[in-house]
Amino acid sequence: DIQMTQSPSSLSASVGDRVTITCRASQSISSYLNWYQQKPGKAPKLLIYGASSLQSGVPSRFSGSGSGTDFTLTISSLRPEDFATYYCQQSYSTPPMYTFGQGTKLEIK
Amino acid sequence: EVQLVESGGGLVQPGGSLRLSCAASGFTFSDYWMNWVRQAPGKGLEWVANIKQDGSEKYSVDSVKGRFTISRDNAKNSLYLQMNSLRAEDTAVYYCAKRAGPYSYYTMDVWGQGTTVTVSS
Repeated sequence: DIQMTQSPSSLSASVGDRVTITCRASQSISSYLNWYQQKPGKAPKLLIYGASSLQSGVPSRFSGSGSGTDFTLTISSLRPEDFATYYCQQSYSTPPMYTFGQGTKLEIK
Repeated sequence: EVQLVESGGGLVQPGGSLRLSCAASGFTFSDYWMNWVRQAPGKGLEWVANIKQDGSEKYSVDSVKGRFTISRDNAKNSLYLQMNSLRAEDTAVYYCAKRAGPYSYYTMDVWGQGTTVTVSS
């Protein structure tokens, strides 16, 4: 099974800050890496797919990069509505048994 | 509007059974793999199971193998999760999620609002 490890597990930042979250896969997953945002009591929302493609309707302050085993999600200038938990997920596995990272909780400093 | 709506959650005793449903609308349901993902209270997301467009392939996480069965009815645009021999650790919000195609790297691009399953005596 492919394991996904995110860092940090939690992060405190201020409005306007630039923030980076890292996700590492236990084996190469090419660019089959997706990022989701989840707010309390809500379903996850897709932000980035294919490591760097922005989902329609997602603000351009969100960006993703990486390939192989190491990936990053960057928020260029934090807005109040960005404080949430972020998850990476690999969609590379065959058979398609997908796994998520443990999540990164982004809190207001 | 593309939409997934889960139902069927509730309180069940350990060892009991429950059947979750997910009603799809706004897209051609029979064209896509579908997934179940769960989230235990205060915990992260866990992929549970998925099923191919025609139901010919099904996969699940080890912790539910032999207890949970995923199925679909394309005529009814519906996805199901039959959960048997439920344990306290199955307590979670269960989401259904649509898997996108290869050009979108098989991401999960549409999610339902979730249905809550509580396993307790």
